[in-house]
Amino acid sequence: DAGVIQSPRHEVTEMGQEVTLRCKPISGHNSLFWYRQTMMRGLELLIYFNNNVPIDDSGMPEDRFSAKMPNASFSTLKIQPSEPRDSAVYFCASQGPYEQYFGPGTRLTVT
Amino acid sequence: GQSLEQPSEVTAVEGAIVQINCTYQTSGFYGLSWYQQHDGGAPTFLSYNALDGLEETGRFSSFLSRSDSYGYLLLQELQMKDSASYFCAVREGSGYSTLTFGKGTMLLVSP
Repeated sequence: DAGVIQSPRHEVTEMGQEVTLRCKPISGHNSLFWYRQTMMRGLELLIYFNNNVPIDDSGMPEDRFSAKMPNASFSTLKIQPSEPRDSAVYFCASQGPYEQYFGPGTRLTVT
Repeated sequence: GQSLEQPSEVTAVEGAIVQINCTYQTSGFYGLSWYQQHDGGAPTFLSYNALDGLEETGRFSSFLSRSDSYGYLLLQELQMKDSASYFCAVREGSGYSTLTFGKGTMLLVSP
């Protein structure tokens, strides 16, 4: 298995632009999680899905953030409009029996 | 509220043994996990404790005391490649369930 796949790996954009991050979970995993990691705030859960349904989005910082999971093999996290304070590494993870498997992350820089 | 406390930084030398402690206060508790993250990489699963006691996996062991809301990760025969950040994380329910992560402990192993 290729593991959790994320794209792009790096994204540099200007403030106000729309950013879309993509994730493909491990086949057969029913739960998918989006995290944001910064030095100041550590690893924060933004939203998670079970069987493609959003279960808890209380971690989504603002209405500028939205996430979808149209099918079991694909999810997106969108930021519109982006702001410099959104600069962080965004991880997607899928759930195994005991553990979460993380993708390589997308390093987002908003200038 | 939910909180996990772990030291921010630990230093040790090659061949030594180091213990990283984690205390937690969460609304629910189902198990304690440990993840390793190298600089620029993704968190990777190390161990999981649902019951009190010690779990051993090679050079790494993890301990849990539910009555004390406390756990630790023990790393033996330290190697330079063990230099990384280590996160404890509480799983709050069975089945699909979120993890609440601590802020991480940066371990620096020197020659």
